Amino acid sequence: EAGVAQSPRYKIIEKRQSVAFWCNPISGHATLYWYQQILGQGPKLLIQFQNNGVVDDSQLPKDRFSAERLKGVDSTLKIQPAKLEDSAVYLCASSLEASGFQETQYFGPGTRLLVL
Amino acid sequence: AQSVAQPEDQVNVAEGNPLTVKCTYSVSGNPYLFWYVQYPNRGLQFLLKYITGDNLVKGSYGFEAEFNKSQTSFHLKKPSALVSDSALYFCAVRDLNYGGSQGNLIFGKGTKLSVKP
Repeated sequence: EAGVAQSPRYKIIEKRQSVAFWCNPISGHATLYWYQQILGQGPKLLIQFQNNGVVDDSQLPKDRFSAERLKGVDSTLKIQPAKLEDSAVYLCASSLEASGFQETQYFGPGTRLLVL
Repeated sequence: AQSVAQPEDQVNVAEGNPLTVKCTYSVSGNPYLFWYVQYPNRGLQFLLKYITGDNLVKGSYGFEAEFNKSQTSFHLKKPSALVSDSALYFCAVRDLNYGGSQGNLIFGKGTKLSVKP
């Protein structure tokens, strides 16, 4: 079974530029998550989708971050404009929805962003 | 609010010795607890989870975790450490207050495990 795919793996941009990350979840997984992992910290949720609807985006900095999941499969996370403090690894995860809280989240390899 | 704490930034173990990576939790309902491992430049890999039932949970790569309700702990263990176990380990708890029917995960800050030959 193929895992969660993410691209690009690495990205270097200058502050105030825009950047986009792509995620393809495990086939059949209805729930998709985007996490931000700053160096030395654990991942923190940015946004959670169930199919193509947003379940939780309370921690997404909406003035600069946006995300969409068209057709309930692939998802894109965008930052515009980027700030230095956005330098982090952006992790995508997916899970089945069948068993609710018991479900395991499976993570992709992440996109490492460096903002100069 | 749900939270987890990993009190040790780093754990050093000699190869062949048992290892323990500590995690304590705070929840306002039933705890759903997870352990993940992260190798350099890789995403998080699922090791094991506690949902209900036996307090000793067995997972991938020979790891196990012991759930202790009275001490609100969920320590990760392995009887005999390997050099290849060296990585960053994260404990996580399901957030029951956000994320709809599934809840998202709240992670600890991570513990770096170093296994020396």
